Amino acid sequence: ETGVTQSPTHLIKTRGQQVTLRCSSQSGHNTVSWYQQALGQGPQFIFQYYREEENGRGNFPPRFSGLQFPNYSSELNVNALELDDSALYLCASSYDRGQGGELFFGEGSRLTVL
Amino acid sequence: AQRVTQPEKLLSVFKGAPVELKCNYSYSGSPELFWYVQYSRQRLQLLLRHISRESIKGFTADLNKGETSFHLKKPFAQEEDSAMYYCALSGWTGANSKLTFGKGITLSVRP
Repeated sequence: ETGVTQSPTHLIKTRGQQVTLRCSSQSGHNTVSWYQQALGQGPQFIFQYYREEENGRGNFPPRFSGLQFPNYSSELNVNALELDDSALYLCASSYDRGQGGELFFGEGSRLTVL
Repeated sequence: AQRVTQPEKLLSVFKGAPVELKCNYSYSGSPELFWYVQYSRQRLQLLLRHISRESIKGFTADLNKGETSFHLKKPFAQEEDSAMYYCALSGWTGANSKLTFGKGITLSVRP
């Protein structure tokens, strides 16, 4: 069974740039959720994708957007990067929109915005 | 609004000592509570959920709706329990499940 994989693992951007982060879900899972984890904080829900559609969103501005593909992999896009976007971005996959609450996390993509 | 509070950032105990990691929550509906754990150099993973009422690696957690708490307990800590622990709440809306996490607590078990 293949676990959740994320790429890239680390990246550095400057303010105003755009970034795309990628996630491959665990085999058999049809739901992907994205979380932002700032230093010293717990993960914070960004949004969830289920069967290629956004299925719930946290308190993040529209410049955070995403996609889910037919194979259930997903992308997180962030436009007009700000310094506060520096964080670890976690992808988590689950089955059927995460009922039961067990999410399987990737190792994360660490974004630094200078 | 959903909120999870973990009042302490660090708990340091000696091997064999009891452990209690505190978690309080705020949620208007009927919550599902979880403890997630992250060991050094590993990914975040589920430790236990209240609905299962099971003991995992010697840890237990009881949901107390009156006190809105879900404290994690273990009677005798082991060095391998050293990790970051996050309490999380799932608010199932019928359309999606999002987890609200606390800020986490570092458990350090000294030999």
